[in-house]
Amino acid sequence: QKEVEQDPGPLSVPEGAIVSLNCTYSNSAFQYFMWYRQYSRKGPELLMYTYSSGNKEDGRFTAQVDKSSKYISLFIRDSQPSDSATYLCAFSGGSNYKLTFGKGTLLTVNP
Amino acid sequence: GAVVSQHPSWVICKSGTSVKIECRSLDFQATTMFWYRQFPKQSLMLMATSNEGSKATYEQGVEKDKFLINHASLTLSTLTVTSAHPEDSSFYICSAPKVPTSYEQYFGPGTRLTVT
Repeated sequence: QKEVEQDPGPLSVPEGAIVSLNCTYSNSAFQYFMWYRQYSRKGPELLMYTYSSGNKEDGRFTAQVDKSSKYISLFIRDSQPSDSATYLCAFSGGSNYKLTFGKGTLLTVNP
Repeated sequence: GAVVSQHPSWVICKSGTSVKIECRSLDFQATTMFWYRQFPKQSLMLMATSNEGSKATYEQGVEKDKFLINHASLTLSTLTVTSAHPEDSSFYICSAPKVPTSYEQYFGPGTRLTVT
């Protein structure tokens, strides 16, 4: 079983749609859950960061964590063409602060 | 917010030569920096952890003698790809934690290396 699984997509939606991006993980040591956005040929940008089960909202973005199911999600409301990018889930735990990334989901929001 | 820069953004070199990539934290000190490699349409793979004032820690399968890491100051880490070959062509990205004991990391813009 892979440590992190993320559907690579690609995912194409019309502007204004609600987008749901998901990752599952198997490592129980993961305690910190992050979502990064990466535009083509750029470094990743931290979008959301949480360490507890439940929902965390920031503007149009909501991160959801279910530790019991080892499942995290990112919801984007009222999606915009500028949201078109690759979204990477990332996990960390322990004292070394290393991140383990999913493969990324390529999202295209069509105007 | 915290900013991490990389230089150069794109480099082309001939097979057999060495290339140095710089990673700088611009408005904060970074005792630890991470180096990743990303192949097209693939995720980021951690190569090594760069520690200021001490030796880097390499991930399994990463050749220490090929990818030399130096973290000489609290704001600068360098990655040198020695005797580069076409299979080393990739996107190299560094990151640094926002604060030393944080899981929030800030990433540089990346360096695209093409070895001909």
